[in-house]
Order: sequence, then structure tokens, then C-alpha cells
Amino acid sequence: QVQLVQSGTEVKKPGASVNVSCKASGYPFKSYGVTWVRQAPGQGPEWLGSISPYNGNTYYAQKFQGRLTLTTDTSTTTVFMELRSLRSDDTAIYFCARLPPRRFDYWGQGTLVTVSS
Amino acid sequence: QSALTQPPSASGSPGQSVTISCTGTSNDIGAYKYVSWYQQHPGKAPKLLLYEVTKRPSEVPDRFSGSKSGNTASLTVSGLQAEDEAAYYCSSYAGLNNFHYVFGTGTTVTVL
Repeated sequence: QVQLVQSGTEVKKPGASVNVSCKASGYPFKSYGVTWVRQAPGQGPEWLGSISPYNGNTYYAQKFQGRLTLTTDTSTTTVFMELRSLRSDDTAIYFCARLPPRRFDYWGQGTLVTVSS
Repeated sequence: QSALTQPPSASGSPGQSVTISCTGTSNDIGAYKYVSWYQQHPGKAPKLLLYEVTKRPSEVPDRFSGSKSGNTASLTVSGLQAEDEAAYYCSSYAGLNNFHYVFGTGTTVTVL
């Protein structure tokens, strides 16, 4: 069955970087994009960006350009998200999700990232 | 890119129907047929309910249906059940050249 398993809770100080991983299994890894979405406490989801494991192409929301990097390791079927220069308003649950065309059909369990001094 | 607008709350009694609207712009909902809806229970990841406005994954019951007119999409939940009490979010594809997406502000459905 399709599974996306994310790395664990992170606590970071302002200005630091965070790396969150998302290991995919149960489907041909290169055949589907992976997207990242975050959800601040009590808020709706916010799209951060997407990556194609097939060719490595990345697409980032303008708000995160220059601060967000998505990468893949096809040998381990894992997608990585790095967010730099963290601020307190980056505190959120970060989700990865599989991206068949134009929808997010399977989601990871979420990773809580807390940014606090 | 601004979030799509949804009413904060909606409610209905068991067996009734509830409809949730999702208003965007001519750059997202109005431009594409790629509207999807997600259900989220507290502490859980969102779950895909509908995609391409009206299509349902095989495991989603046909009590959930969708439509779109102009810049507004709608989700209807018929025959409300207790387990339908959750937050619902719409999402739309928003960029032919840059593959961007936008989510709605969310609607909390209460089953009375």
C-alpha cells in the first residue's frame, strides 16, 4: 500500500534551518510528484512547493523562493525539505503528499516544526 | 496568491445535507477544472475527498459530491453522519507554467 513516512518532531531557534524527510513506498517512486504543505496551528493548509522525482524539477511558492529547497534520493525513495532562516511564524505541521496530476492523494503523517528562542 | 475563501462553519442534523462554497478567482478556480476537496479530522492528515471538481477516489462514499461555476466551487455532503464532523478544505491548481496550488481557508462542519 502507498505510504509516506516523515521524520520526527523538530525544535529550532530563529535563524536556523530544518530538514524534514519523507520516505515513500508502495508505488513507483519516479512516477509521481511529491508536494509539501504546511499547516500552522488553527490555520488552513499552505502549499510550499513540489518536486518531480523523475527529473528533479522543483516548483516553489513565491513566498518561499530562496528559503526552501526540495530534493530527492531515488535510491532510498525519499524526498527532503529544507527550510532556512526560520522565523517564529514558520511554526507549523509540515506534510508531504503524493502528487498525481493536480491533486494530493496520499499524505504523510506530518512533522511538527517549532521555532522558538 | 491569496487563499480561497470558504465559510468558517457549517452544520446540519444527521441525514441532512450541507453545502460548502469555495470562492477563488479567474486565475485559479475560474481557470482550471482542477479543484480538489480534503477532509481533516483533528490531529490527522488531510484526506482527499474529490478531485477535478467531481471525481471521487474509490474509497470515498458517493455522499460527497462537487460542482463548479465560474470562480466558485462547492462541496455537498448528503446524508450527514457523525463521522462527517471535520474540517473541509478546497484546493485549486493555480499555475499552468509554474505548477502552483492554493488552498481554502477551511470550513468546520458540525453534525448537530
